[in-house]
Amino acid sequence: GDSVTQMEGPVTLSEEAFLTINCTYTATGYPSLFWYVQYPGEGLQLLLKATKADDKGSNKGFEATYRKETTSFHLEKGSVQVSDSAVYFCALRMNTNAGKSTFGDGTTLTVKP
Amino acid sequence: DTGVSQDPRHKITKRGQNVTFRCDPISEHNRLYWYRQTLGQGPEFLTYFQNEAQLEKSRLLSDRFSAERPKGSFSTLEIQRTEQGDSAMYLCASSSQGDGTEAFFGQGTRLTVV
Repeated sequence: GDSVTQMEGPVTLSEEAFLTINCTYTATGYPSLFWYVQYPGEGLQLLLKATKADDKGSNKGFEATYRKETTSFHLEKGSVQVSDSAVYFCALRMNTNAGKSTFGDGTTLTVKP
Repeated sequence: DTGVSQDPRHKITKRGQNVTFRCDPISEHNRLYWYRQTLGQGPEFLTYFQNEAQLEKSRLLSDRFSAERPKGSFSTLEIQRTEQGDSAMYLCASSSQGDGTEAFFGQGTRLTVV
């Protein structure tokens, strides 16, 4: 079945550091890929998405590129802020499979001032 | 549009009791999903509706769980004879059909079975 593997956390960085959270996937077909963020006490919010190979999703300084050859969708940000502290989830969605999403286990990011 | 809303936000119940959660999706979305999330894990798919039809159920959804979506609008998830292992965050999401569309999530209902 479909699966998503995320880099294990927690990740602790100083403000303005570079962030990478690794995500790889297994899917029978061509999924759309997503990063969701969950701030403390809040629901999942879509951060960015990419729907086909070589697409780059970007939002709020975060970027991720859909790499079909390595089945990866790594999340990056050049300079993190304290307000980026949250749990980040990588997910895939197969359009041919009722559109249900398969999630990774999440990576907790803490940014210290 | 206020997004996906879930009610209640928190529920504490005694083992063996029945509980029901409600989800109001984004109004123009015809797809509705229920997920369960436990601490330290990502959401796990439970069930899916397209309009009023329940089209798929996960093996995680035991016979004690039932979901409905009458008239293709709001949905309810009922858990009968709750067990401590049912303690989790129950998330509802909705989406439109189409390639690459994302699912929009509600804030969830946190269930604690004591």
